[in-house]
Amino acid sequence: DVKVTQSSRYLVKRTGEKVFLECVQDMDHENMFWYRQDPGLGLRLIYFSYDVKMKEKGDIPEGYSVSREKKERFSLILESASTNQTSMYLCASSLFRGNTEAFFGQGTRLTVV
Amino acid sequence: AQTVTQSQPEMSVQEAETVTLSCTYDTSENNYYLFWYKQPPSRQMILVIRQEAYKQQNATENRFSVNFQKAAKSFSLKISDSQLGDTAMYFCARMIYNQGGKLIFGQGTELSVKP
Repeated sequence: DVKVTQSSRYLVKRTGEKVFLECVQDMDHENMFWYRQDPGLGLRLIYFSYDVKMKEKGDIPEGYSVSREKKERFSLILESASTNQTSMYLCASSLFRGNTEAFFGQGTRLTVV
Repeated sequence: AQTVTQSQPEMSVQEAETVTLSCTYDTSENNYYLFWYKQPPSRQMILVIRQEAYKQQNATENRFSVNFQKAAKSFSLKISDSQLGDTAMYFCARMIYNQGGKLIFGQGTELSVKP
């Protein structure tokens, strides 16, 4: 079974802290995604990557950056956490193109205080 | 803009009855893929069903089927014989084929199945 693992299920950070959310997948998928999930807004794409060291901005990249140094790992970085970044963060991976589903991690509920 | 719209924030259905969740999308592509995902209270997103835009036949997976209307850019999900375990948030999604497989989601529909 494909497994997408996010490093934390719950996280509490202080305003201004630098925050790292880690995601690892074990199925050699090319694509990896970071989404933010908020009530009434669905899943909004922050960044995605289709290859090592490649990244593309999604719909809401402001305040975030990403890193993909290895194929299996995709990190989301909040350079200076703010309270409006309190949310659920979901990581996903998929094969490049094609009729393939995306597999998701269990999400990280981040609270910035 | 590449958008996916789910206009029903919440729905409820009695156990064993049928319910239809709506989804519309915007695209200029001719070939793409559409998905319905389910997110139960455990938060784990699970694929329910997928549809390839070049296939005219509507996809079916057991109690789940879609009504894909390509010209209308509509992709609704029908759940037959609803079960308590179907209670979840449902998301419609579209893969943007010419952007490396980028996945765009709708706002979600929260479905409650009542006994």
